[in-house]
Amino acid sequence: EIVLTQSPGTLSLSPGERATLSCRASQSVSSNYLAWYQQKPGQAPRLLIYGASSRATGIPDRFSGSGSGTEFTLTISRLEPEDFAVYYCQQYGSSPFTFGPGTKVDIK
Amino acid sequence: EVQLVESGGGLVQPGGSLRLSCTASGFSFRRDGMNWVRQAPGKGLEWVSHISSSNATMYYAESVKGRFTISRDNAKNSLYLQMISLRAEDTAIYYCARGRIAGRDAFDIWGQGTMVTVSS
Repeated sequence: EIVLTQSPGTLSLSPGERATLSCRASQSVSSNYLAWYQQKPGQAPRLLIYGASSRATGIPDRFSGSGSGTEFTLTISRLEPEDFAVYYCQQYGSSPFTFGPGTKVDIK
Repeated sequence: EVQLVESGGGLVQPGGSLRLSCTASGFSFRRDGMNWVRQAPGKGLEWVSHISSSNATMYYAESVKGRFTISRDNAKNSLYLQMISLRAEDTAIYYCARGRIAGRDAFDIWGQGTMVTVSS
């Protein structure tokens, strides 16, 4: 099983600032099949990034993903008020399709 | 409108059973693999199970293997999760999510979830 570790656990930032979230895998992720999801309170998760760096349909270009192998990053270039949420990474290249524990981005 | 709607959640005693359903609309359900993902109160996401479009392949998390069974009825655009021998640690919101091909596709469509509470 691939274990995903996310850091930091909480990121306190102001609107307009840049957010950098990290996801580290215990072994190489097959074909860089690494996704990022956003979840707001009381809502289902929403796919942001797939294949480590491809934005899902309708996702603003302030969200970008990078990385390969075992190290991945989600960057939000300029935080908008609606971006304050919890972000999860997930590897979907091999079963079990594990999620990281999440990074909460909250308002400073 | 692309949509997944879960149902069947509720309160069940430890050791009991429950069957969850997920109804799809707005996309070609019969062509796509589907998943169940759960989230315990105040916790993160945990993948539970996957089923391929043709019912040929199923995968399970170790935590539910032997107790949960995933199935689908393509004629009814429906996905199911039969849960037996339920434990307190199965208490969670259960989401269904589309993941077209296991090992290749991320989960791009999610339902709003159904709450399962296991308690005496």
